[in-house]
Amino acid sequence: EAGVAQSPRYKIIEKRQSVAFWCNPISGHATLYWYQQILGQGPKLLIQFQNNGVVDDSQLPKDRFSAERLKGVDSTLKIQPAKLEDSAVYLCASSLLGAVYGYTFGSGTRLTVV
Amino acid sequence: KQEVTQIPAALSVPEGENLVLNCSFTDSAIYNLQWFRQDPGKGLTSLLLIQSSQREQTSGRLNASLDKSSGRSTLYIAASQPGDSATYLCAPLYGNNRLAFGKGNQVVVIP
Repeated sequence: EAGVAQSPRYKIIEKRQSVAFWCNPISGHATLYWYQQILGQGPKLLIQFQNNGVVDDSQLPKDRFSAERLKGVDSTLKIQPAKLEDSAVYLCASSLLGAVYGYTFGSGTRLTVV
Repeated sequence: KQEVTQIPAALSVPEGENLVLNCSFTDSAIYNLQWFRQDPGKGLTSLLLIQSSQREQTSGRLNASLDKSSGRSTLYIAASQPGDSATYLCAPLYGNNRLAFGKGNQVVVIP
C-alpha cells in the first residue's frame, strides 16, 4: 500500500511569513495526526482528526496555527505568521480507528524560519 | 501524566556489537507499543509493533520485548551495522489513539 505522503520536504521562510504543509494519509485511515518535532525532542501532537472532525487540538497554538481536513482525506497545516521557534520537522501520520495496527508516518517537512 | 523515558540517551558501539535500548513509561494502561527509527531531519519508520497482550515481537535482527505491568520495553538489535545509526523512539499507545514519545535513543555504530 502507498504510504503517507507529505509535501514539501523542505521549506525555508523568513519570520512573519506564512507557510502551508500538505498531507495525504493512507487510503482508509480514518485518523490523521500532525506532530511538531523540535531538534533533540520527541514529536509533540499538534492536532488529531477523526474523519474530518477535530478530536484533539489542545496543543495547537491557535493564534498562528490552523489545520483542516476536508472530506476526511487530505489535510493542510498552516502557520501564519511564522516565528523563529517554529523551526522544526512537521510530521503527518495516519491510523485506522483504534490504531490497532499502529501509526504510519510520512517523511516529514523540515521547516527553517530565519 | 504519560511520560516516556529512554535510556541511554545516546550511545556509540563498534560494528558487530549487540545493541540494547531501554524504554520506560509511567502509565501502564497501554493498548500497544511501537518502536520507530528516525534518521536526521526525516520521518519516523515503524520497526515493530507489540500489542499489550504480547511479550515480544521479532523482525530480522530486531527483537522488542514488553513488560506492560512494570512499564518497560526493550529493543535488541543483533550484530549492529553502520546503517543502524539513527535515533530510535518507543511510543506507547493510550486512549483516544494517542501516542506518547520520549526523546529517543541516539545510536552511532562505528565501522
